[in-house]
Amino acid sequence: GENVEQHPSTLSVQEGDSAVIKCTYSDSASNYFPWYKQELGKRPQLIIDIRSNVGEKKDQRIAVTLNKTAKHFSLHITETQPEDSAVYFCAASDAGGTSYGKLTFGQGTILTVHP
Amino acid sequence: DVKVTQSSRYLVKRTGEKVFLECVQDMDHENMFWYRQDPGLGLRLIYFSYDVKMKEKGDIPEGYSVSREKKERFSLILESASTNQTSMYLCASSLRADYGYTFGSGTRLTVV
Repeated sequence: GENVEQHPSTLSVQEGDSAVIKCTYSDSASNYFPWYKQELGKRPQLIIDIRSNVGEKKDQRIAVTLNKTAKHFSLHITETQPEDSAVYFCAASDAGGTSYGKLTFGQGTILTVHP
Repeated sequence: DVKVTQSSRYLVKRTGEKVFLECVQDMDHENMFWYRQDPGLGLRLIYFSYDVKMKEKGDIPEGYSVSREKKERFSLILESASTNQTSMYLCASSLRADYGYTFGSGTRLTVV
């Protein structure tokens, strides 16, 4: 089955700096890669996703890049703010076939943005 | 806005008890999922369902079963609760395979 590795496990930055979280996946059939943000005591929420037919996607201060050859994808947050502090999870799935979109998640990254 | 509702926010159960965790979604989603979340391990898939009465094992199904009698409801059952099942349980649903999940608020289960 799919295996997703996520690094780093913790990341501490100063407000205004950029933050980068990296994930690798093992199954070359995976073609859908979402990122979730989980604030303390709350449910994970989808913040951005990318499909395998594109290499990069941006949404304001957040961007995701995908390298299918190397089987890795990354989340980039620019101009970080204290409210970006949360746990971030990457995930991967084979959206076709019989997987029904079940996601395999990385271990999570605790991002702390210091004012 | 899709809502996924988990019936209990916190539960405390005794070892050996049969435990039911309920999840209801209100947007006619086909796919529903149960994960458990543990620090340092991320979210691990227990079971999922892609249609009424259809279910498939995830990565860690041992000690669990599920039921989906109606499209909107997906129940997780701990047949005989054990202390190593103490965890946060998250239910999620998705419209289709290449759409992200909507998660419920989670049930923090403690087995004593």
